[in-house]
Amino acid sequence: EADIYQTPRYLVIGTGKKITLECSQTMGHDKMYWYQQDPGMELHLIHYSYGVNSTEKGDLSSESTVSRIRTEHFPLTLESARPSHTSQYLCASSEPGTGGYNEQFFGPGTRLTVL
Amino acid sequence: QKEVEQNSGPLSVPEGAIASLNCTYSDRGSQSFFWYRQYSGKSPELIMFIYSNGDKEDGRFTAQLNKASQYVSLLIRDSQPSDSATYLCAVLNTGGFKTIFGAGTRLFVKA
Repeated sequence: EADIYQTPRYLVIGTGKKITLECSQTMGHDKMYWYQQDPGMELHLIHYSYGVNSTEKGDLSSESTVSRIRTEHFPLTLESARPSHTSQYLCASSEPGTGGYNEQFFGPGTRLTVL
Repeated sequence: QKEVEQNSGPLSVPEGAIASLNCTYSDRGSQSFFWYRQYSGKSPELIMFIYSNGDKEDGRFTAQLNKASQYVSLLIRDSQPSDSATYLCAVLNTGGFKTIFGAGTRLFVKA
């Protein structure tokens, strides 16, 4: 079973607040990812990291920022939350599997609602 | 054209039947292919991966890959109501830096 954790699981917050979504993994994986997913819709990659001090923006434009100071920790921050940020945020990590095949393990997700 | 395409469904099959889920991809240099299952309100979980042409079997699941046709499929034998979920096809792109997910196919298995 994958050891990747996200907190909080649910968050309801008012417009304009700064929030940080936490993601931690205990598997020692170098690669970590943040996805955004609306109910019944596809996953959108918003940020990824290949290791400490490495962060890249994904395919979906996002007003969030990320940091990767420690291998196990990949927090996502929204400086000023807006209702358009309401969504499910999924964190994932990967290490090449046998032969290097990049299987991703997902955390349980954070469901964010911005009022 | 999307990089990974799946029929959104829903695909409805009776209990005990074979469910066939299909996926096409555009990056001809892709090397690794994954099927994830996502229950409603839950996170995706990996159920199969395949990297060589042909079939790979794991229990009731069989993944099939045809690189010439840029096509990957998942067969679920003896489908159960608990298999009802969205199945995501994912492809590791050329160079192995990025995994592209399809939009998923919703499967309903009727008891």
